[in-house]
Amino acid sequence: GIQVEQSPPDLILQEGANSTLRCNFSDSVNNLQWFHQNPWGQLINLFYIPSGTKQNGRLSATTVATERYSLLYISSSQTTDSGVYFCAVGNAGKSTFGDGTTLTVKP
Amino acid sequence: DGGITQSPKYLFRKEGQNVTLSCEQNLNHDAMYWYRQDPGQGLRLIYYSQIVNDFQKGDIAEGYSVSREKKESFPLTVTSAQKNPTAFYLCASSIGGEEKLFFGSGTQLSVL
Repeated sequence: GIQVEQSPPDLILQEGANSTLRCNFSDSVNNLQWFHQNPWGQLINLFYIPSGTKQNGRLSATTVATERYSLLYISSSQTTDSGVYFCAVGNAGKSTFGDGTTLTVKP
Repeated sequence: DGGITQSPKYLFRKEGQNVTLSCEQNLNHDAMYWYRQDPGQGLRLIYYSQIVNDFQKGDIAEGYSVSREKKESFPLTVTSAQKNPTAFYLCASSIGGEEKLFFGSGTQLSVL
């Protein structure tokens, strides 16, 4: 099956810093999604981004499908950004998740 | 409010017991999914259904069973054949296969 690799596995930032999270995948996909999982386990869909660039406030994402990767940018990070960020790629009617990047933002 | 409701929030299973996790959605979505999450790991697909009365095995279906008799409901049964059931279980839905996923708040299953 398709392989999804996320990097870095862990990231610690000071409040106000910027960061870039990466998602690589091993085969062609029909879509790509980024999620944030809060400390209570709730998964929130941040972006549905099969290709191109999207922005939502301090967050933006870029997917380059031909090169099989996606990037999630977080600017001016806040403590509420802490949690685990997952990317998921869609292929053959289902989505496969990476192992996530755990982000800790310190005040 | 439209959304996905999972119940119970916490569930305990005794040795040899089958337990059923509930997932209900009122988003009018055709596709529904069950994922398992172990500590510090990503989500792994157990079963998915793209239409009523039809479902497919995911990557880790052994020891689990599902039904899809109604569009809004997709219950998951963890059978006694699943030897390591302790995990966080997440249900999701989408308008169709490979579309934007929406998740419930999860069920934490533990073994007594």
